[in-house]
Order: sequence, then C-alpha cells, then structure tokens
Amino acid sequence: AQSVTQLDSQVPVFEEAPVELRCNYSSSVSVYLFWYVQYPNQGLQLLLKYLSGSTLVKGINGFEAEFNKSQTSFHLRKPSVHISDTAEYFCAGNTGGFKTIFGAGTRLFVKA
Amino acid sequence: DAGVTQSPTHLIKTRGQQVTLRCSPKSGHDTVSWYQQALGQGPQFIFQYYEEEERQRGNFPDRFSGHQFPNYSSELNVNALLLGDSALYLCASSLRNRENGYTFGSGTRLTVV
Repeated sequence: AQSVTQLDSQVPVFEEAPVELRCNYSSSVSVYLFWYVQYPNQGLQLLLKYLSGSTLVKGINGFEAEFNKSQTSFHLRKPSVHISDTAEYFCAGNTGGFKTIFGAGTRLFVKA
Repeated sequence: DAGVTQSPTHLIKTRGQQVTLRCSPKSGHDTVSWYQQALGQGPQFIFQYYEEEERQRGNFPDRFSGHQFPNYSSELNVNALLLGDSALYLCASSLRNRENGYTFGSGTRLTVV
C-alpha cells in the first residue's frame, strides 16, 4: 500500500536548537518526495523536493532533507530554528502517477 | 504573479445541501488537484483535473464531483452534505510534469451544521 508516515505528531524545541522531523515512506511512493509547511489559516507551501540524484536536498528557510533508500526515510532537518518556524510540516510522496499523498503532519513548536 | 486563488474562504451549509467551491490556478499551471483536510490531519486527495478531464480520483464518494474550464480554473461540487464533510478544502495547481510539486491556495473552510 502507498503510505507516508510521519513519526512524530508534535515536536517541541527551543529557539536556536537543531530539529529533525521524521518521515518514512512506502517504496511505492519513492519516485518524488516533498516537504511542505503550513502556517495557521494558510495553505501549504513547498519547502523542498527530492526527485533524483544527490540524497541531500536543500530547501527554503534553511531546511534540508536527506533521502535514505535503505531506511525508506526522508527526514527534514534544520540546524537552528526560529520562533517563526512554528508551523505544521507535511511530508508527501508521489509515485510518478497523478496523486501525491501526504502524511498526517508534524506540529513544530519553537519555544523562546 | 498571482498564486492560487480560492473562493469563498469560509462557508456554512446545512446537512443535505449542495456546495460549490472555486479555484483559479497559478498563472502558467494547467493541472488542478483538490484535497480535503480535516482538522488535525493531512490533506486527502479528492481528484485531479487536466485538460478539462478528471484523470485520477481518490477514495471519495460520487457526491464529490468537479469540473475544469478552458482557462484551467476549477470547481469542486459536493452534494448531499454530511456533517463529516466539514473540513478545509485545498486547491493545488501544478504543471503536468509533476516534478515541481504543488502550489496551494489558502483553502475554503466548509462547516456543515
């Protein structure tokens, strides 16, 4: 079955600390992988994407993610978070067909 | 460059009624996908339109239907509304070749009472 699993529903972290948001995917969704961010009362915004090639991809706002085929993971990382990074983060995958499926989301809460 | 525009932003309907939600894609995009996002959950794929045809559908009943117009804008129609249809409905536009990901609108918050 096609699935994208986000392993943490909430991640609290102090400002300027590093953070990792975890995502695992089923092999059938590994063609294209994405991370999106959703701020309150807004739609989703694309942070970064993995299509092929280098397994480390860099995105906007200082985020990066690493594609790991053997672990079927695509974890999102940032070395130093800001208060403004508080939001909901969604991992998503596309099989090369027309449907992109999303994980349930991880709420990142950055504390001062 | 305008992004994805959705209307209305909020809507309250009564059970059994019908609703139409509208979406204008980002300039240059030709594909529109609709998602339902229930509170505290990830977006669920409803269907995708390209060249005015529905080309893939998610696990939603026939009460959910859509349309795409020649200018690429799209409508989502839901008939016989149920309380469980209350959600944020997101429109996402993209290019046919998928690799660039989606551009999302801010959504329509539908409340069914």
